Amino acid sequence: DAKTTQPTSMDCAEGRAANLPCNHSTISGNEYVYWYRQIHSQGPQYIIHGLKNNETNEMASLIITEDRKSSTLILPHATLRDTAVYYCIVSPRPNSGGYQKVTFGTGTKLQVIP
Amino acid sequence: EAQVTQNPRYLITVTGKKLTVTCSQNMNHEYMSWYRQDPGLGLRQIYYSMNVEVTDKGDVPEGYKVSRKEKRNFPLILESPSPNQTSLYFCASSSFVSSTDTQYFGPGTRLTVL
Repeated sequence: DAKTTQPTSMDCAEGRAANLPCNHSTISGNEYVYWYRQIHSQGPQYIIHGLKNNETNEMASLIITEDRKSSTLILPHATLRDTAVYYCIVSPRPNSGGYQKVTFGTGTKLQVIP
Repeated sequence: EAQVTQNPRYLITVTGKKLTVTCSQNMNHEYMSWYRQDPGLGLRQIYYSMNVEVTDKGDVPEGYKVSRKEKRNFPLILESPSPNQTSLYFCASSSFVSSTDTQYFGPGTRLTVL
């Protein structure tokens, strides 16, 4: 079973911020939150990850609640090219024990509307 | 260019005819994994490998075999394909020593078993 719960789909107006929620209430202390996206049927692409602090990179921001049971991926100015399926997964870091199995759920299909 | 390659990209075959899907990465990654993707089911892990000669089952290993004789290659073998193995397959790799933490995915192999 997936360790995360995400809405099946969301719409966002072009140019507006897209806020994608993820619930991971059973997250363990050594698990990070990772976000990937998949455009059409291409291979998934890494976006961002974090442990407990908020993170930002050139693609997105990641907000993790203080209890770490949920997080939100923020695309600050969504474009049509951001239309994709977004996956939230929890996993230990690759260089730590327990990394072996990585479970993707069904993700959130984000549709950016012109 | 750092990449994961898969071959073939598209394959149509018949039930029972053995086939191999190759996966190769040029990043000297220790970890490699195979996923299948079916509509409504997200990405499901088939097998993974922590290093050369070390492989283990993921969530849906039935009907598949893998081998890891070299660090760069991780072929997926279907000894007797069946129609329920019609799917989109992705290979991925990641490093245990890099700070980037991401899994790199291949472009996918679309398999149809008649």
